[in-house]
Amino acid sequence: GQQLNQSPQSMFIQEGEDVSMNCTSSSIFNTWLWYKQDPGEGPVLLIALYKAGELTSNGRLTAQFGITRKDSFLNISASIPSDVGIYFCAGQQLDSSYKLIFGSGTRLLVRP
Amino acid sequence: GAVVSQHPSWVICKSGTSVKIECRSLDFQATTMFWYRQFPKQSLMLMATSNEGSKATYEQGVEKDKFLINHASLTLSTLTVTSAHPEDSSFYICSASATLAKNIQYFGAGTRLSVL
Repeated sequence: GQQLNQSPQSMFIQEGEDVSMNCTSSSIFNTWLWYKQDPGEGPVLLIALYKAGELTSNGRLTAQFGITRKDSFLNISASIPSDVGIYFCAGQQLDSSYKLIFGSGTRLLVRP
Repeated sequence: GAVVSQHPSWVICKSGTSVKIECRSLDFQATTMFWYRQFPKQSLMLMATSNEGSKATYEQGVEKDKFLINHASLTLSTLTVTSAHPEDSSFYICSASATLAKNIQYFGAGTRLSVL
């Protein structure tokens, strides 16, 4: 079945540093999504990407939908302690089920 | 963003009992609702897809008689874990999407189930 490879698995950075994480797939997607999950909570939508090549920002977050439609990256600039959490990419399938395929997650820790 | 409410947030039950989890879309009518299960330090695993007024579609390996899903209205879906056992202990999360909102899934806060 379809799989998403998300990297890195974890990151431990200094406050103020920029962060980059990415997802690649063996299949193409119509939509790429990035979510953040805090411990004991459900994922919260950060950015949604709908077109190949699209670059979208949400505050300090920037994400891009790869031209091949098989990859996406998320950048966080000037990280702050509240950025701590697990970030998941998700690709939405092409069929009418609208199911999401999730990456394995990137655990981000920020040192104050 | 769209608001999805999930209740209860955590539940402890005895082995053999059944537990019902509710998922509500508060400010939109959800065309489809999804149920996920998440083990510690792992990603979300889709259990089933639920459309209002029709039977849920279960993922391979998910027992439909074990995990009963009812989607009676455009704003409410329920997941019932029947005859729960300790191995059913997990974090269950629902999401809701709407065709008018580009079918983006918005998630509830999750339900932590502990079966003793």
